[in-house]
Amino acid sequence: DTAVSQTPKYLVTQMGNDKSIKCEQNLGHDTMYWYKQDSKKFLKIMFSYNNKELIINETVPNRFSPKSPDKAHLNLHINSLELGDSAVYFCASSQVTGSTNSPLHFGNGTRLTVT
Amino acid sequence: KQEVTQIPAALSVPEGENLVLNCSFTDSAIYNLQWFRQDPGKGLTSLLLIQSSQREQTSGRLNASLDKSSGRSTLYIAASQPGDSATYLCAVRRGNEKLTFGTGTRLTIIP
Repeated sequence: DTAVSQTPKYLVTQMGNDKSIKCEQNLGHDTMYWYKQDSKKFLKIMFSYNNKELIINETVPNRFSPKSPDKAHLNLHINSLELGDSAVYFCASSQVTGSTNSPLHFGNGTRLTVT
Repeated sequence: KQEVTQIPAALSVPEGENLVLNCSFTDSAIYNLQWFRQDPGKGLTSLLLIQSSQREQTSGRLNASLDKSSGRSTLYIAASQPGDSATYLCAVRRGNEKLTFGTGTRLTIIP
């Protein structure tokens, strides 16, 4: 029944590795997002996809590459991980087309720790 | 550039009291404002969504107001309970569908 699910919940890896985080939503929403929450708990958008098309790409290192195989999935791949990438990454979704006022639904987050 | 501020950063109140959390934003050209709650180690749960044309929304013991012209929103929690302890975040949405979040208020209800 989980509306927005992301895996894994915890990810511990060493510097220089490449890792992926997966996200799936079963709400039928047309837009998905990746947010990063830093150690000070501040949430900042990274990417947004609408119907598999990238519509928001904030100033994020190009080591981060989102991929949306279909509108229910938005994965985040990170190359050459750095210590500063340690954070909690949240996936979210909303319905935008036809209504710009849909609430955002968040996943439970993936806590990434780079050692 | 939209900036969203929440003051105070932390608040502790005794159980049973009514309380108000504040959110201010610099650009009044918003589509909506959303209040979230985040429990430690968990994701965000949407509490209330106020459209730009609305002044307030209510859900149970929660009431959120919106004053676009002054760039302010408040979240009123009536008869607080220990289970209300969490971090509360407000976020505003503009035309590019991006939500800009505030820094949050960490609320502790003292039994």
